[in-house]
Amino acid sequence: DVKVTQSSRYLVKRTGEKVFLECVQDMDHENMFWYRQDPGLGLRLIYFSYDVKMKEKGDIPEGYSVSREKKERFSLILESASTNQTSMYLCASSADRAGDTQYFGPGTRLTVL
Amino acid sequence: SQKIEQNSEALNIQEGKTATLTCNYTNYSPAYLQWYRQDPGRGPVFLLLIRENEKEKRKERLKVTFDTTLKQSLFHITASQPADSATYLCARYGGSQGNLIFGKGTKLSVKP
Repeated sequence: DVKVTQSSRYLVKRTGEKVFLECVQDMDHENMFWYRQDPGLGLRLIYFSYDVKMKEKGDIPEGYSVSREKKERFSLILESASTNQTSMYLCASSADRAGDTQYFGPGTRLTVL
Repeated sequence: SQKIEQNSEALNIQEGKTATLTCNYTNYSPAYLQWYRQDPGRGPVFLLLIRENEKEKRKERLKVTFDTTLKQSLFHITASQPADSATYLCARYGGSQGNLIFGKGTKLSVKP
């Protein structure tokens, strides 16, 4: 089975802090994704990556950056956390580029105070 | 731009009945549609994929249909159980860079 793990299930940070969310997948998938999920807004794509050291902006990249130094690891960085970044963050991976099935991690519930 | 809509935010049914969830899309038909299940506080889990030439696909108590004329997919759970209570998401290929687009989901509650 594909396994996608995220570094924390719950995280509480203060406004202005730098926040790192890490995601690791063990199936040698090429593609990795970061989403945030908010009530009434559904899943929104922040960034994604189709290869090591490669990144593409999703629909809502403002206030975020990403890093993919190794194939299995995709990190989401909040350079200066703000209260409007309080959300559920979900990482996913997929084998094929063109809209293939995505495998999600358990999510990180981030609260920014 | 491609859109995908799940018209019902919530659906409440009695145990043993068939639940039917709807997913509508705009513009051109995607080559396939996917359905996911999401439990509270968890990531979505893939359930089924249906291709546009398949019309219907089944997996145990689940059935998915794909109607390119109506631009719609229906997701059925027969003999529903309280354990089927969850949010169900549909998704299509067709984001600006080829990624998946997800609907907002329908929250299904099955009452005993």
